Amino acid sequence: GAGVSQSPRYKVAKRGQDVALRCDPISGHVSLFWYQQALGQGPEFLTYFQNEAQLDKSGLPSDRFFAERPEGSVSTLKIQRTQQEDSAVYLCASSHGGPRQETQYFGPGTRLLVL
Amino acid sequence: AQSVTQLGSHVSVSEGALVLLRCNYSSSVPPYLFWYVQYPNQGLQLLLKYTSAATLVKGINGFEAEFKKSETSFHLTKPSAHMSDAAEYFCAVSLYNQGGKLIFGQGTELSVKP
Repeated sequence: GAGVSQSPRYKVAKRGQDVALRCDPISGHVSLFWYQQALGQGPEFLTYFQNEAQLDKSGLPSDRFFAERPEGSVSTLKIQRTQQEDSAVYLCASSHGGPRQETQYFGPGTRLLVL
Repeated sequence: AQSVTQLGSHVSVSEGALVLLRCNYSSSVPPYLFWYVQYPNQGLQLLLKYTSAATLVKGINGFEAEFKKSETSFHLTKPSAHMSDAAEYFCAVSLYNQGGKLIFGQGTELSVKP
């Protein structure tokens, strides 16, 4: 079946511009995660949804970052007034939402470059 | 706080040689441990995971890892490297009381020489 998809795959933004990144999880997956991967680093957790509820947003770096999943499926990560330090790959992952050791399936990521 | 340390940001082996990628974790409670592989311009793919069952875990593509509580380690091995194994490898930990979010190491880039 289809995996996790993300769009756009690449995004170039001017500093100060707002961007929206989309994630389509695997159908039926309850849990959805966003991670930020800076160049040469491991992914870092941003936020987590169970269905439409955002249960953990402790990793969001500032109030310029906002995520939503209004119907419990597609999720959007929005970054307002982008800064150069926001340049990174943004990864989305989904899982069944069962026990904590559930496998997370990752999308290909959105590579954001802020000029 | 829990963390993951991967020793060696770059590892180079010859084709057919043993692959050993090191991962140590710190956690005050028993963790769940994962190894993911990332090919260029692709997302992460699960290689294997430890979930408190057998301490020796076998994964895809001939990889395996052994959970050693006394050493707080979860090293990844493969007896014979193949050119197609060249990629970035990430060790990760999740805790039962944190909703399943993954904490990743810095990654190890594996190169395979012909």
